[in-house]
Amino acid sequence: GAVVSQHPSRVICKSGTSVKIECRSLDFQATTMFWYRQFPKQSLMLMATSNEGSKATYEQGVEKDKFLINHASLTLSTLTVTSAHPEDSSFYICSASATGQNTEAFFGQGTRLTVV
Amino acid sequence: AQRVTQPEKLLSVFKGAPVELKCNYSYSGSPELFWYVQYSRQRLQLLLRHISRESIKGFTADLNKGETSFHLKKPFAQEEDSAMYYCATGANSKLTFGKGITLSVRP
Repeated sequence: GAVVSQHPSRVICKSGTSVKIECRSLDFQATTMFWYRQFPKQSLMLMATSNEGSKATYEQGVEKDKFLINHASLTLSTLTVTSAHPEDSSFYICSASATGQNTEAFFGQGTRLTVV
Repeated sequence: AQRVTQPEKLLSVFKGAPVELKCNYSYSGSPELFWYVQYSRQRLQLLLRHISRESIKGFTADLNKGETSFHLKKPFAQEEDSAMYYCATGANSKLTFGKGITLSVRP
């Protein structure tokens, strides 16, 4: 299957700082990428849909000014957690799919964010 | 609204025993149903999807629209099947996940 890479896999930051997480599709072009958040022992919750060349679409209840998404190329989407607070600590996962209907979504390995 | 329910958090069986991981869904329109698996320290990966109607690693899942279910089954569990399993629904790669179930297969 296709490969999606997230970087970093783990990050610790101080409260009030911003953190950028990258999601790359390594061997295919992804017009759409998705960002999920997973709390301990809970399911993945979709945060936003990242569209190449246009604004991201955020799910209800997700602050777009808090979680900035940029999808500047067909192989890279970034999620920036701005002014991070301890409650933002979580596991963030991206997925990407190639262009077309009903294509499979491939997942990154996830990023563990800890805000201290 | 789309919703997926996985009623159990943990299923522990012995090697060779049958496995059934339950999933119920609510979806407006024609649902796409998936099962994803996450092995220890690995990323989430697609196990099977209902439109494919194929068996992967001995697992099958039949979409039952009357019961709005998409249970995952395997007749004889193997130790390497131990993992976290998520049922999901969605379209065009945009997914809504259930809470997941941990399958533990003991030797």
